[in-house]
Amino acid sequence: GAVVSQHPSRVICKSGTSVKIECRSLDFQATTMFWYRQFPKQSLMLMATSNEGSKATYEQGVEKDKFLINHASLTLSTLTVTSAHPEDSSFYICSAAGQTTNYGYTFGSGTRLTVV
Amino acid sequence: GEDVEQSLFLSVREGDSSVINCTYTDSSSTYLYWYKQEPGAGLQLLTYIFSNMDMKQDQRLTVLLNKKDKHLSLRIADTQTGDSAIYFCAEMYSSASKIIFGSGTRLSIRP
Repeated sequence: GAVVSQHPSRVICKSGTSVKIECRSLDFQATTMFWYRQFPKQSLMLMATSNEGSKATYEQGVEKDKFLINHASLTLSTLTVTSAHPEDSSFYICSAAGQTTNYGYTFGSGTRLTVV
Repeated sequence: GEDVEQSLFLSVREGDSSVINCTYTDSSSTYLYWYKQEPGAGLQLLTYIFSNMDMKQDQRLTVLLNKKDKHLSLRIADTQTGDSAIYFCAEMYSSASKIIFGSGTRLSIRP
């Protein structure tokens, strides 16, 4: 149980375009979802926390208008990287928590974004 | 503040035990975790420990928690080549219910 599916696993886009990444909880209701970013050979940095039906809470230094997060249902959260630039290239990972994930949070498999 | 620290590299001989250490700052952490990440992949939860436990063993993995010193360790017995990966220590930062990660320790195995 407690499976999180993240899509796409890999995406290449042109500078200036927008990219949407989906994070779905498959067998539980995710009341809270988290979005992380990982630079090469570095740790995961928390970008934002989203609760179903409310606005996301962004960590300091993360641009809200650039990284749009929508958590419209208990099973789906999306991260949209708007007007992407090469410096946005990174590995993005989501995680989800719900009432049944009582020991912690389940992570998706990540999305490798390359902006050319 | 939120801070989880680990050493960056560890090299061990195949068959030996690996011990990866971690220190954290939030004394009110509820859970502490060890995650494994292989190249180009997502995170795999290896094990976790409640903050009211001192030790947890799961097959080849042993987690030790010293709350007084805010020190967490992961011991991998009989280390194999398949254990080569980056290991992240993480704590649930209880005041905000979010998970904060350490920098990761890259474990390499010598033949």
